Amino acid sequence: AQKVTQAQTEISVVEKEDVTLDCVYETRDTTYYLFWYKQPPSGELVFLIRRNSFDEQNEISGRYSWNFQKSTSSFNFTITASQVVDSAVYFCALSELNQFYFGTGTSLTVIP
Amino acid sequence: DVKVTQSSRYLVKRTGEKVFLECVQDMDHENMFWYRQDPGLGLRLIYFSYDVKMKEKGDIPEGYSVSREKKERFSLILESASTNQTSMYLCASSPLGAGANVLTFGAGSRLTVL
Repeated sequence: AQKVTQAQTEISVVEKEDVTLDCVYETRDTTYYLFWYKQPPSGELVFLIRRNSFDEQNEISGRYSWNFQKSTSSFNFTITASQVVDSAVYFCALSELNQFYFGTGTSLTVIP
Repeated sequence: DVKVTQSSRYLVKRTGEKVFLECVQDMDHENMFWYRQDPGLGLRLIYFSYDVKMKEKGDIPEGYSVSREKKERFSLILESASTNQTSMYLCASSPLGAGANVLTFGAGSRLTVL
């Protein structure tokens, strides 16, 4: 079974639209971490955020925001007023007991 | 700027060739990882290392080996490349302690085996 599910394979939006990337995870541990990484066309995965399982507070960083809900085992990522530079593949990941599990990624295309 | 550097961005090899993928990090990180990335499959862990000369198998180690002779360098070796090893290979590193699960990735090495 997938530990991390990113059901959206590809998303296209027009510039300035808001977009939410979904991430659902599965774990039986009480202590775990969730991540989002961005992979632009250059190929290098760039770390965006880490949340631990004890901190459900939502986070905002500029145009990016993250919604962590343990009740639904979700860690969704919203980009507000999307820009062309946001075009990339975005990976959600789970870390538990020093093991990492990556989702299959969501490819976001922002159309100018 | 801290970096994980992968020596080759693109390689084309023939079936049966021995392939070396090199990865160097300048952050004095203890942990280093090799992942393989394929469309629809995400990232899959091949091998990782917690220290010099130490290695642990990941989820898909078959057909691969690794070498970590120095702390900053972690090499992935394909002893006899096969076409099903055509893929993007990503190296990553992380420190011990509180930041241990924040991976810093290299730019990737795209390998094509003909």
